[in-house]
Amino acid sequence: AQSVTQLGSHVSVSEGALVLLRCNYSSSVPPYLFWYVQYPNQGLQLLLKYTTGATLVKGINGFEAEFKKSETSFHLTKPSAHMSDAAEYFCAVSDRNKLVFGAGTILRVKS
Amino acid sequence: DAMVIQNPRYQVTQFGKPVTLSCSQTLNHNVMYWYQQKSSQAPKLLFHYYDKDFNNEADTPDNFQSRRPNTSFCFLDIRSPGLGDAAMYLCATSTDPDQPQHFGDGTRLSIL
Repeated sequence: AQSVTQLGSHVSVSEGALVLLRCNYSSSVPPYLFWYVQYPNQGLQLLLKYTTGATLVKGINGFEAEFKKSETSFHLTKPSAHMSDAAEYFCAVSDRNKLVFGAGTILRVKS
Repeated sequence: DAMVIQNPRYQVTQFGKPVTLSCSQTLNHNVMYWYQQKSSQAPKLLFHYYDKDFNNEADTPDNFQSRRPNTSFCFLDIRSPGLGDAAMYLCATSTDPDQPQHFGDGTRLSIL
């Protein structure tokens, strides 16, 4: 079965600093990978997805992620954090017709 | 706008009193999912429908049931809620199980 590990349950950055949220997956087949964001008391919103093709994937709100097969990683980055980026972020892999989520990373942005 | 709508946003029920949560979608997606999300945890899939085909997760308690009367609507029934069932319940849809899921804003269930 596929699994996802998100390193760091909490990440804190200063406004304007680089955001890096780490995600590693295990998969026996080429994976479909996703990043979702969740604001308090809301559902999950898709940031970006990787299925096939280009390994650098651009998403909404200035986020991007790079699929690295050799490292089994799909880390999420944003060059410059904004206060509105404060939220919880979930990495997910598609496994046998369902999503397997990581435990989530709460991003705090300091002014 | 096409959406996934969950009603109500907040639901309070009594211990042991049946409760139904609803989800509707205007996306005309084939697949509808129900997740349970407890505080500071990832969403946990309870079950999903692919069209009319119901798929229950192995570890979903029997206390949880679901109905999908048509493409647009899906319901989550909790027959005898216990204190441990207090959580956010998320509905999601997708065109296909491997495709991105579109989530509603959830129903937060409290048990008195």
